[in-house]
Amino acid sequence: QVQLQESGPGLVKPSETLSLTCTVSGASIRSYYWSWIRQPSGKGLEWIGVIYYSGGTNYNPSLKSRVTISLDMSKNQFSLKLSSVTAADTAVYYCARETVVTGEGRWFDPWGQGTLVTVSS
Amino acid sequence: DIQMTQSPSSLSASVGDRVTITCRTSQNINNYLHWYQEIPGKAPKLLIYAASNLQSGVPSRFSGSGSGTHFTLTISSLQPEDFATYYCQQSYSTPHTFGQGTKVEIK
Repeated sequence: QVQLQESGPGLVKPSETLSLTCTVSGASIRSYYWSWIRQPSGKGLEWIGVIYYSGGTNYNPSLKSRVTISLDMSKNQFSLKLSSVTAADTAVYYCARETVVTGEGRWFDPWGQGTLVTVSS
Repeated sequence: DIQMTQSPSSLSASVGDRVTITCRTSQNINNYLHWYQEIPGKAPKLLIYAASNLQSGVPSRFSGSGSGTHFTLTISSLQPEDFATYYCQQSYSTPHTFGQGTKVEIK
């Protein structure tokens, strides 16, 4: 059974960099694609970006200038860095495995439980 | 970006009711539409992928249909554990985008 768990600071100061890690168990990050998704309080879900097992990435253009997603093969983890954060970046952040099937699309399963990150001084 | 419009945004229903949620997209996405269930405090859960395929382990009372720009998620007989928020997601093009959610509440 594949499980994902987010970890990282719950409070980040404005203008600083948000850093989160997703630990994967039950699967190797050398396979599949791995994504970050967030949900501001009371709002909908926003896809942040994906990292492929090759290390290639694809980011949401709305966040691209501030986002970096990376893999740590030795720890079976992948990470998110979001720079120059503001209050608008306050959200629950989820990590998820992205499954890709030709002719059927790409979906997220499973997801981590999510971690709330608040941007405040 | 492909815009997603879910309706209704919320609904009240009773156990045993048949519930239908609609998701419309701003352009043709073929069948690249997926549905999720979100229960507070729990990880979001994939229910349906590629418009009509039931994810393994998901009860058969859940079903999906549609193609192009119009999709539906149906719960044939609502159970107590189904009270949750449901989201659609398109993967026809990046950025992947989600509907705003439909909250299913107890009547």
